[in-house]
Parts: sequence; C-alpha cells; structure tokens
Amino acid sequence: NAGVTQTPKFRILKIGQSMTLQCAQDMNHNYMYWYRQDPGMGLKLIYYSVGAGITDKGEVPNGYNVSRSTTEDFPLRLELAAPSQTSVYFCASSSTGNWGSEQYFGPGTRLTVT
Amino acid sequence: GENVEQHPSTLSVQEGDSAVIKCTYSDSASNYFPWYKQELGKRPQLIIDIRSNVGEKKDQRIAVTLNKTAKHFSLHITETQPEDSAVYFCAALRVAGGTSYGKLTFGQGTILTVHP
Repeated sequence: NAGVTQTPKFRILKIGQSMTLQCAQDMNHNYMYWYRQDPGMGLKLIYYSVGAGITDKGEVPNGYNVSRSTTEDFPLRLELAAPSQTSVYFCASSSTGNWGSEQYFGPGTRLTVT
Repeated sequence: GENVEQHPSTLSVQEGDSAVIKCTYSDSASNYFPWYKQELGKRPQLIIDIRSNVGEKKDQRIAVTLNKTAKHFSLHITETQPEDSAVYFCAALRVAGGTSYGKLTFGQGTILTVHP
C-alpha cells in the first residue's frame, strides 16, 4: 500500500495563478481531508469529504474548492492564488469519521505564492 | 466551534527526563483526543489517542490523561530520548449533531527538544 500520496511536493505560484493539488489514497477510506499548516502553527481544516460525491467546508475554506468523484482521489483547487495561501498542504484519510479513527497523512505539498 | 489550546509552545529537556504537554478544549461534546508527532519536514503521525470514556491510556513510554470535568488532556513522555525530538500536536474531535462523523481541531503544537 502506498497509503496517502500527494503531488506535487513543491510549487511556486505567481499571484493570481491557479493550480490543483492532487491527493490519492489506496486504503479504501471513505473520509478524506485537506489541511493547511502555516509556519509554527497547527493544522487547519480546509475541506473534508465523507464519501464520493460528498464534500463540506472546514475551518478555512475561502479561496479553495474540492471535488470527490471517486473514493481514491480528493483534489484541492486553488483559484486566483494569494500570498496568504503560502503554506504546507496536507491531505489525510481515515476509515471512519468518528472516535478512534486514525487519520493517515500524505507527505505534504509546500506551496509558495509570490 | 471547538477551540484547542496547547502549552507549552516549546519544551527542552535532558535525555532521560520526563516531558509533559498539556491541552485544553472548549467543547464538552468532544469525545476523542489524539496526539500526533511530526518530525522536521515529515508528515504528522498518530502516536496515541484517548476516548472520552477513558481517563488514562499508556503505551510504553508515552501516556495520555484526560480530565473531562476540567476539559483538559495531557501527553506524558518518560525516559525521553533524542529521537523523541519533534513537534507534538494535540487534537479534539466533536461529532457533528445528527451525523456519525466529526472534524479534528488541532492545537498549535509543541516543539520538544531532547538534549543528549
């Protein structure tokens, strides 16, 4: 099992550009999440999904969009990138959304917007 | 929504000493409290967790305690080793009303440094 994979590892964007961060998992998990981690800070939830076709906003969704057309993939779209979106982005998945369900994280994507 | 406060933000100990990291949460409906370890440049990984119906859980050198009345929980690491150096995050999960799933709210993290 590859677990949770993310691409790209690094990306530099200019202000106003758009991009899609890819996330895939091969554990057949229904629940998937996108977090951002700013320097010296904890993880903040951007969007999450409880299954194919079902997504919902987290704590900091503005400036982002997601889709979940398959169980395996959960891409995060940034439209009109802004310097405030400079961060490390982690995708995660879990088998359930309730207590005791470990979230498995991907390796992260380091994004810089200049 | 839920708010999780974590202290201290940095902790420096000598190898062999104990380390304690504390978190408080605001929502009494939160029922699951995991701890994640993140080494430099790596992804967060679960090291221990506790459910709200349990007061203490231990796994070798690490333990977690939960005080539901006071709404705080703590991570205890005994006999620390240099490889314990990392950032540690606490989190709290609250299941949304009318559903069977919830969202994790993370603390700000504690940078633990263990000096040989």
